[in-house]
Amino acid sequence: GAGVSQSPRYKVTKRGQDVALRCDPISGHVSLYWYRQALGQGPEFLTYFNYEAQQDKSGLPNDRFSAERPEGSISTLTIQRTEQRDSAMYRCASSLAGISSSGNTIYFGEGSWLTVV
Amino acid sequence: AQSVSQHNHHVILSEAASLELGCNYSYGGTVNLFWYVQYPGQHLQLLLKYFSGDPLVKGIKGFEAEFIKSKFSFNLRKPSVQWSDTAEYFCAVTGSNSGYALNFGKGTSLLVTP
Repeated sequence: GAGVSQSPRYKVTKRGQDVALRCDPISGHVSLYWYRQALGQGPEFLTYFNYEAQQDKSGLPNDRFSAERPEGSISTLTIQRTEQRDSAMYRCASSLAGISSSGNTIYFGEGSWLTVV
Repeated sequence: AQSVSQHNHHVILSEAASLELGCNYSYGGTVNLFWYVQYPGQHLQLLLKYFSGDPLVKGIKGFEAEFIKSKFSFNLRKPSVQWSDTAEYFCAVTGSNSGYALNFGKGTSLLVTP
């Protein structure tokens, strides 16, 4: 696609429910990133994929959070047994090459707003 | 600990005023530095980036930033702001010690008044 596409854009869910957020990166982009941004804060790194391999998941806050990218393209971030503190914007980003590649640019999607009530 | 600090959380300027937004980082090793902007209702966009070479980096829409290694700073500047520059600005850093994470500051909200 022309840009990074995320769905749903807005999600309201009840505490305890599971939520799946989808990211469709720019076609051909090898690297995919998930970030979380709370109100008044900058984006916080969650996890990173290189093709289908999850290279770094050090930012996932606990084991209720998981992510996958089974075919190296679309990725899903799943939050199980949601809690109110999970409310935030979840941003997906992609890049043609890895973060450390000189000249590489990371492109962000519009984000998915999650509200847990 | 690795960190990125943006000292100005809210800035209000009149059109044609000059802008400087501060960004300091605490990182070991080699760093790559970025400024991103988010206009109201839009997604994060890259303004400019520094990987190596000339420490004065020019980006889109007349923005520039200067990497001062001795001060661990990467301040964003624009000589004359416009109303359309109203947005949130984020400084971000990756380092040779930070793996794949692009670490962001908390952001600076800029309001330009006509």
